[in-house]
Amino acid sequence: GNSVTQMEGPVTLSEEAFLTINCTYTATGYPSLFWYVQYPGEGLQLLLKATKADDKGSNKGFEATYRKETTSFHLEKGSVQVSDSAVYFCALHNTNAGKSTFGDGTTLTVKP
Amino acid sequence: NAGVTQTPKFQVLKTGQSMTLQCAQDMNHEYMSWYRQDPGMGLRLIHYSVGAGITDQGEVPNGYNVSRSTTEDFPLRLLSAAPSQTSVYFCASREIFSGANVLTFGAGSRLTVL
Repeated sequence: GNSVTQMEGPVTLSEEAFLTINCTYTATGYPSLFWYVQYPGEGLQLLLKATKADDKGSNKGFEATYRKETTSFHLEKGSVQVSDSAVYFCALHNTNAGKSTFGDGTTLTVKP
Repeated sequence: NAGVTQTPKFQVLKTGQSMTLQCAQDMNHEYMSWYRQDPGMGLRLIHYSVGAGITDQGEVPNGYNVSRSTTEDFPLRLLSAAPSQTSVYFCASREIFSGANVLTFGAGSRLTVL
């Protein structure tokens, strides 16, 4: 079946530090890959996505590249801000299954 | 604003009570779903629907019922609440035929079962 494994948290960084949150997946076929972000007290919202191998998704300074050879979709940001403090979820959508599968989420706290 | 609306935001139940979590979307999305979010377990799919009159089970359907009589609404029913159903519940919807596969989430409903 499909599965998503995320780097365990929580992650605590100082402002302007470099961020990497690892994500690997298992899926049949060619899934689309997503990063969702959940700010405190809110629902999840799409951060970025990639639909095929070697695609790079980017938004708000965050980037992730769809690596089929390593089945990975790691999230990166060069300089985090306090406002980036949130829970980040890696997810895949497998068209054959018609459903989305989520990782466990990684809590990021950025300190000033 | 267009989106997914969930009610109530908070609810406390006693074991054995029943209740319905409401979900409505105004984006004409064909697909709607319910997830539960528990610490250390991420999001788990409870039930989903690909259109009015069509529902199916996700990975943790036991103890929950759903129906889809209209495109807009997808209520989740707990017939006899148990402490194990204490969780945060999210409703999410998406288009099916656009191929974008991006889910739009509601703000969540926090349920406590005593």
